[in-house]
Amino acid sequence: KQEVTQIPAALSVPEGENLVLNCSFTDSAIYNLQWFRQDPGKGLTSLLLIQSSQREQTSGRLNASLDKSSGRSTLYIAASQPGDSATYLCAVDDYKLSFGAGTTVTVRA
Amino acid sequence: EAGVTQFPSHSVIEKGQTVTLRCDPISGHDNLYWYRRVMGKEIKFLLHFVKESKQDESGMPNNRFLAERTGGTYSTLKVQPAELEDSGVYFCASSTSVAYEQYFGPGTRLTVT
Repeated sequence: KQEVTQIPAALSVPEGENLVLNCSFTDSAIYNLQWFRQDPGKGLTSLLLIQSSQREQTSGRLNASLDKSSGRSTLYIAASQPGDSATYLCAVDDYKLSFGAGTTVTVRA
Repeated sequence: EAGVTQFPSHSVIEKGQTVTLRCDPISGHDNLYWYRRVMGKEIKFLLHFVKESKQDESGMPNNRFLAERTGGTYSTLKVQPAELEDSGVYFCASSTSVAYEQYFGPGTRLTVT
């Protein structure tokens, strides 16, 4: 059974600082890994998808890495802004998504 | 292009009643998934449709839950009879048959009193 852990559970940083969010998973037999953002009371917005054959994926200020052998992924957000405040969820895909509990990020202006 | 839509956005029912949730996937997406988050827990997989067929329903909690997907388009998830522990947010997601990325709807918040 796949277990997904996200550390830290919460993070508060001043505007402009870089963010580092960690995700680990127990079973490396995955097809891909997806990072989502969830705003309070809203649905999930897909940020990045990394296929199992890839090492990283980038979109704007976001960069996600994947080390399948060690069961880890890291999401980097450069030069954080107050609008980046949200909960970030990591999900691994082995034909269905298994989610972590999320990291709640607060960026202080 | 319209995203995944879910109806209703919020439902409050009494224990023992029946509720039906609806999901309309993105047009052309053959894969449709249901997930739910109960209070304080992670989002958990319920089931997966490929077109109108159930591919995987290993996450369905018990036989009070019934999911259907009519003609491979929209899907419904019926809870009958509802119990207190069924309260939570039910999400629907869809994806194409060639790409892995799942797109989520806004969710239906179900409250059973």
